[in-house]
Amino acid sequence: AQSVTQLDSQVPVFEEAPVELRCNYSSSVSVYLFWYVQYPNQGLQLLLKYLSGSTLVKGINGFEAEFNKSQTSFHLRKPSVHISDTAEYFCAVSDLKAAGNKLTFGGGTRVLVKP
Amino acid sequence: KAGVTQTPRYLIKTRGQQVTLSCSPISGHRSVSWYQQTPGQGLQFLFEYFSETQRNKGNFPGRFSGRQFSNSRSEMNVSTLELGDSALYLCASSSGQNFDGYTFGSGTRLTVV
Repeated sequence: AQSVTQLDSQVPVFEEAPVELRCNYSSSVSVYLFWYVQYPNQGLQLLLKYLSGSTLVKGINGFEAEFNKSQTSFHLRKPSVHISDTAEYFCAVSDLKAAGNKLTFGGGTRVLVKP
Repeated sequence: KAGVTQTPRYLIKTRGQQVTLSCSPISGHRSVSWYQQTPGQGLQFLFEYFSETQRNKGNFPGRFSGRQFSNSRSEMNVSTLELGDSALYLCASSSGQNFDGYTFGSGTRLTVV
């Protein structure tokens, strides 16, 4: 079974500083990879996804992520964060060989942007 | 295009009762999945329905059940509620073909007292 590890449970960062959120997944089989953001009392919003092609994926709100198959990683980055980026971020993987539609999520990383 | 709609947004139930949550997917989406989110266990997959059939199931007891209607709307039911069932229940829809991710609803916050 797939597993996803988000190495940092909390990341404090100052406004306008860069941030990197780390994500590793367990399986080397074909996968799709996703990053979602969750604001308080809301559902999950898709930031970006890797399905195939270029390993550098650009998403909404200035976020990007790089897929590294050999290291089974999919780290999320933003060069300059805003206060509004304070939220919880989830990495998720879909195993293409599994039946149906299912995402396995990491435990989440809380980003707190300080002024 | 309307998003995924979950009702109600908040629920308070007493231990031992049952509850039904509703989800309307994005128009044209035929797959609906349900997740439970708790501080301790994170996001856990409950089940997926596609064309009125359960296609995938997570590791939850039989008290958790669901169904999907011909218009793709879905309901999930939890019987004999326990305190540990308190959670945010998230519904997510996708087209059902060539999975490329979900669109999530805002969730139903269930509190069991």
